[in-house]
Amino acid sequence: QKEVEQNSGPLSVPEGAIASLNCTYSDRGSQSFFWYRQYSGKSPELIMFIYSNGDKEDGRFTAQLNKASQYVSLLIRDSQPSDSATYLCAREAFSGGYNKLIFGAGTRLAVHP
Amino acid sequence: DAGVTQSPTHLIKTRGQQVTLRCSPKSGHDTVSWYQQALGQGPQFIFQYYEEEERQRGNFPDRFSGHQFPNYSSELNVNALLLGDSALYLCASSFDRGLGEQYFGPGTRLTVT
Repeated sequence: QKEVEQNSGPLSVPEGAIASLNCTYSDRGSQSFFWYRQYSGKSPELIMFIYSNGDKEDGRFTAQLNKASQYVSLLIRDSQPSDSATYLCAREAFSGGYNKLIFGAGTRLAVHP
Repeated sequence: DAGVTQSPTHLIKTRGQQVTLRCSPKSGHDTVSWYQQALGQGPQFIFQYYEEEERQRGNFPDRFSGHQFPNYSSELNVNALLLGDSALYLCASSFDRGLGEQYFGPGTRLTVT
């Protein structure tokens, strides 16, 4: 079982729709989660992070965390063609007081006009 | 405020050669983490440097080594290159041992022939 799992996609949504990206994780001790956006050939760009159960909103983006179900999601409202990218979910992993990120393989989102 | 910078952008090497990649963290950041991203995969943690010491390491062989300088910049060295080392190498900078947000540089695309 992978530590962080994402559906590879592609997830295809029409322009203006809500895109829902999902991520599950295996380590119940995980506290914080990050969503990165990665355009083809570019490096990951941090969109937002969440560490409390519930929803966190930032503009058109909403992150949702359910620790009991070990589930994280990212909702993108009013999707635009410029949102077409791969979305990476990552969890924080602590070791000896130091932190690293463990990533899923990413979900490719395609927003069509 | 300069973000994370990496050099070179692209590199082509032959099997068995050695390579050095460089990273300068975002202003105010003191921790540098290195990740390898193979095509179609999420970034995989290589190692992390804080206070000029390697603090934690992922599942990578000893051919991968690094260094952090007093100005917090870092190098990643890979010896005896294999074809499987072809990937995007990402440097992420953060504050305080990797806690919280990590910001990625543009990456170095390494091709081993």
